[in-house]
Amino acid sequence: GAVVSQHPSRVICKSGTSVKIECRSLDFQATTMFWYRQFPKQSLMLMATSNEGSKATYEQGVEKDKFLINHASLTLSTLTVTSAHPEDSSFYICSARDGASRETQYFGPGTRLLVL
Amino acid sequence: GQNIDQPTEMTATEGAIVQINCTYQTSGFNGLFWYQQHAGEAPTFLSYNVLDGLEEKGRFSSFLSRSKGYSYLLLKELQMKDSASYLCASMDSNYQLIWGAGTKLIIKP
Repeated sequence: GAVVSQHPSRVICKSGTSVKIECRSLDFQATTMFWYRQFPKQSLMLMATSNEGSKATYEQGVEKDKFLINHASLTLSTLTVTSAHPEDSSFYICSARDGASRETQYFGPGTRLLVL
Repeated sequence: GQNIDQPTEMTATEGAIVQINCTYQTSGFNGLFWYQQHAGEAPTFLSYNVLDGLEEKGRFSSFLSRSKGYSYLLLKELQMKDSASYLCASMDSNYQLIWGAGTKLIIKP
């Protein structure tokens, strides 16, 4: 089946630093990628939807200047958490939609971010 | 508004059967998904229903009634490894997934 990778899988950083998370579709072209955040014992929360070559669409309450999303190619999207703070510590998961099938989303393995 | 409801937690016994219900209200409908998520891991796809009826896939089956806005996931011959959260998600008219909060399933020996 289709594979989506995320890097890094785990990151610990100091408060105030920026962290970049990469999401790659390995064997298909992802016209749309989604970024989710999940706090412990809570469900997935969609942060933003990014389409290749255009600006991301952010969900209400998500600061676009803090969570920078770039979807420069059909196989790569990046999420940069700028000036991270401890409350940004969470599990960040990307998913990618195969351009050939709008119903199908493939999830990456997730990135666990801990901000000290 | 858009809303997905599913029980917060369920407990079942190894070897038994459990049914996890989900009701949904979304703007448009392009299918109902069930995902399994083990603690600390990303969700994995279980099933997709877009037409009414029951879809069977091994020990797992999923049912959909569009007129009732209702779905269930049926797990048979429960195994300890089935202990996980089960997420119900409805795809709206924009092909965006609307997620439920998940049902934590606890399997006891």
